[in-house]
Parts: sequence; structure tokens; C-alpha cells
Amino acid sequence: DQQVKQNSPSLSVQEGRISILNCDYTNSMFDYFLWYKKYPAEGPTFLISISSIKDKNEDGRFTVFLNKSAKHLSLHIVPSQPGDSAVYFCAASAGSGSRLTFGEGTQLTVNP
Amino acid sequence: ETGVTQTPRHLVMGMTNKKSLKCEQHLGHNAMYWYKQSAKKPLELMFVYSLEERVENNSVPSRFSPECPNSSHLFLHLHTLQPEDSALYLCASSQVTGYPGGYTFGSGTRLTVV
Repeated sequence: DQQVKQNSPSLSVQEGRISILNCDYTNSMFDYFLWYKKYPAEGPTFLISISSIKDKNEDGRFTVFLNKSAKHLSLHIVPSQPGDSAVYFCAASAGSGSRLTFGEGTQLTVNP
Repeated sequence: ETGVTQTPRHLVMGMTNKKSLKCEQHLGHNAMYWYKQSAKKPLELMFVYSLEERVENNSVPSRFSPECPNSSHLFLHLHTLQPEDSALYLCASSQVTGYPGGYTFGSGTRLTVV
């Protein structure tokens, strides 16, 4: 039972344009959501998070949107840069101290 | 050295070999995790240690054996592995309480079973 799903295995965008990565979840108990970024041969690194009490969180070029009714979140990167090319994992947890559940990841390629 | 360090970075082993993966964290975290990443699959949680006690074992075959001698070190002992065990093995650490935005991952060990 895949509780966190990233339906797009890959996404390709032009430098300077917006990248939108999507994530859906099924567990209504999830109340904290995170995005991790992973370069080849490195471990995932934390990028941005959002609590279920918010619907938007912004950090520089990165914004995460949460639609609780649709059980959907998205990560917007604008403007996209070639250095953003990486695998992006969506993750969710249900309550303080609980484990993270990860999606399959989306490979983002930003073309110069 | 800071962060989470995993050794070795790459490992090739035969199906009859015994080897160990090592993970070390210098962040003062009190929970450590082993994850498996296979191509086009979600990160699979294998083991969780909280305050040096194993608190989760997600149906992992017995050919994988974890060990957590203290809050800074985590091992994954491997024996009689199968080719399908070839994957990237990631170690992570965090604080037990509070939201897990603080999961810190190591760079992983790329394991190839031949």
C-alpha cells in the first residue's frame, strides 16, 4: 500500500522556467510533509517542509503548496536552474516523532 | 567531522561473503535508520533504532543484521546476500521527538552482489 505517491518519474524543464513536482498521499493522519533533494552518489538532503496547519511555505526559489482536501502537495521551483537537476522525494509523517514515509522520487532535469 | 558518514561508499561482494556497512553520526541525534533505495522504488525503511534500541524491523530478511552499539554508530551486517539485494543503502539520523524535518542522511553505500 503506497501511502505517498509521486506519479511522475521524471520532469524536464528549461532553465529560468518553473518546475512543478507533484505528490499525492492517502493517509489522512499525515500532518507534516517534506521534500528532499538527492544528487547521484549522495544521500537525500532536506529541502523544505510544511505543516498541515498551513497551505503554503516559501523559501527562496522553493515553495511548497498543500491541498489537504485533495491530499496533494506540490513543490514549485522558480526560476529553475541547471543545478536543481536531481531526484526529488516527497515524504510525510503522522505526528511528532513518527517515521517518514517516502514517495518514489521524481527526476528533475533543468536544461540550460 | 560533522553530519552522517557511511563507509564504504562502494562494495562488491559475492553471495557467500560476509561484510558490514558502517554509519556514524556526530549530530547528537538519538535515532538512527537504515534505508534501502532500489531503482524506481520508494525509499524502503529497513530498521530503526531509537535510544540504541531496535524499535522497528520492517520484514527484512535475516541475511541483514543491524547493530547499534551506541547512539553515534550503526552497522548493517550482511551475509549470504542475493543479487536482488544490490541497491543503495542509506543511513539516517534524527531526534526521536519533534517533527522529522531533521532527518540527516549519509551519502550511502552502493552495494553490488555478484
